[in-house]
Amino acid sequence: GAGVSQSPSNKVTEKGKDVELRCDPISGHTALYWYRQSLGQGLEFLIYFQGNSAPDKSGLPSDRFSAERTGGSVSTLTIQRTQQEDSAVYLCASIRAGGYSEQFFGPGTRLTVL
Amino acid sequence: GQQLNQSPQSMFIQEGEDVSMNCTSSSIFNTWLWYKQDPGEGPVLLIALYKAGELTSNGRLTAQFGITRKDSFLNISASIPSDVGIYFCAGQEAGANNLFFGTGTRLTVIP
Repeated sequence: GAGVSQSPSNKVTEKGKDVELRCDPISGHTALYWYRQSLGQGLEFLIYFQGNSAPDKSGLPSDRFSAERTGGSVSTLTIQRTQQEDSAVYLCASIRAGGYSEQFFGPGTRLTVL
Repeated sequence: GQQLNQSPQSMFIQEGEDVSMNCTSSSIFNTWLWYKQDPGEGPVLLIALYKAGELTSNGRLTAQFGITRKDSFLNISASIPSDVGIYFCAGQEAGANNLFFGTGTRLTVIP
C-alpha cells in the first residue's frame, strides 16, 4: 500500500490480558516509530527502530511494553498484563532513508482496557 | 525533559478568517514540523522546516522556524470548514531519533 497501515484499528481487552498491535510501514522506509496518544493529548514517543541497529527503547513506560521489527519491515508492539491507564491510541510512523525528519503516520490502533 | 508549549489550546473562528498558532520549546531544535490530525486518523504532515528563519508555505498555510530555534508558528489564511482538526507542532533536536510533540491546537471553523 501507499501509506503506513496498522491493525487492528480498534482493540478492546480486559485488564491483565496481553495485546499485540501491528504496523506495516511504507515500503522502503528504513526507520519506524511507535507513539502513544492519550485522549486530548499530544504524542508520546515509545520506541524507534532504524535498520539493523539496536532499537531506542527510551520511551517505553514500563517493562510490560516491548516491540519487535522483523526483517526490517513489519513491527509489533506488545503490551503485557494490560492496565486501564494503557488505554490510548497507539500510532506508528515511518521515515525514508537519507536523514529526513518527516514522519509518516498510520491511522493508529485505539486500545481500550476495561 | 523536553517540553513544547503550544498555544492556543483551542480556537473558534469564522470561515474566511486567518489563524495563527505557535510553539515554543525549552531547548534548541534542528527541525520543526507541523501536523494536522483529523478524528480517527493519524497526524498528516503539513510543513517541514530545517533552517532558523526559514519561512515556508503550503497553499494557504505558512510556517516559520524561529531565529532562536526555540519557536515556530503556523498561519492559516482564509480558513475553510475542512481546516477543522487538531494541529500539532513537533521538533527534533540535533542527533535525536524522536520528535517531541506539542499538546495540539484544536481548530473549529464556523461556516
